[in-house]
Amino acid sequence: GAVVSQHPSRVICKSGTSVKIECRSLDFQATTMFWYRQFPKQSLMLMATSNEGSKATYEQGVEKDKFLINHASLTLSTLTVTSAHPEDSSFYICSASRDTDTQYFGPGTRLTVL
Amino acid sequence: EDKVVQSPLSLVVHEGDTVTLNCSYEVTNFRSLLWYKQEKKAPTFLFMLTSSGIEKKSGRLSSILDKKELFSILNITATQTGDSAVYLCAERRGGSQGNLIFGKGTKLSVKP
Repeated sequence: GAVVSQHPSRVICKSGTSVKIECRSLDFQATTMFWYRQFPKQSLMLMATSNEGSKATYEQGVEKDKFLINHASLTLSTLTVTSAHPEDSSFYICSASRDTDTQYFGPGTRLTVL
Repeated sequence: EDKVVQSPLSLVVHEGDTVTLNCSYEVTNFRSLLWYKQEKKAPTFLFMLTSSGIEKKSGRLSSILDKKELFSILNITATQTGDSAVYLCAERRGGSQGNLIFGKGTKLSVKP
């Protein structure tokens, strides 16, 4: 149980385009979803926390107009990278939580911006 | 079916105890095995293991990978209350995607 999926697993796009990444909790209802970006040396940076039906809470330094997060249902959150640039190329990981403690991680989406 | 399995799911110990956390994984297109510590926010990277039998150490933490038996352990000696966290194990697959497959974590609570 507690499976989280992400789609697509890999995306390549041209600079200036927008890319949407989906995060789904397949067998449970996620009250909270988290979006992370992976940096070199394996570190994960929390970008934002989203609760179903309300606006996402962004971490300091993360541009909310560039990284649009929508948590429309208890099983789906989306991250849209708008006007993507090569420096946005990264590995984006979501996690989902149904309580205050445990997060279940998705497999990640590798974004490459040409 | 879980691809990366951690055990135990939770563990309560007292300060000074030594703990061993386990992580088993699938061999499909294996590249590396990573350990993270998660407290409040983003998981903090601890170790990346790619070679079997080579122990990696950082202070009181150490980890080793057994590629024959497809598992890794994370040891914490002389535990402190600050070690209380969720410890995540993740397998990185090879190929162009290089996805991370996380286990469900082990919640460690260290009591004074």
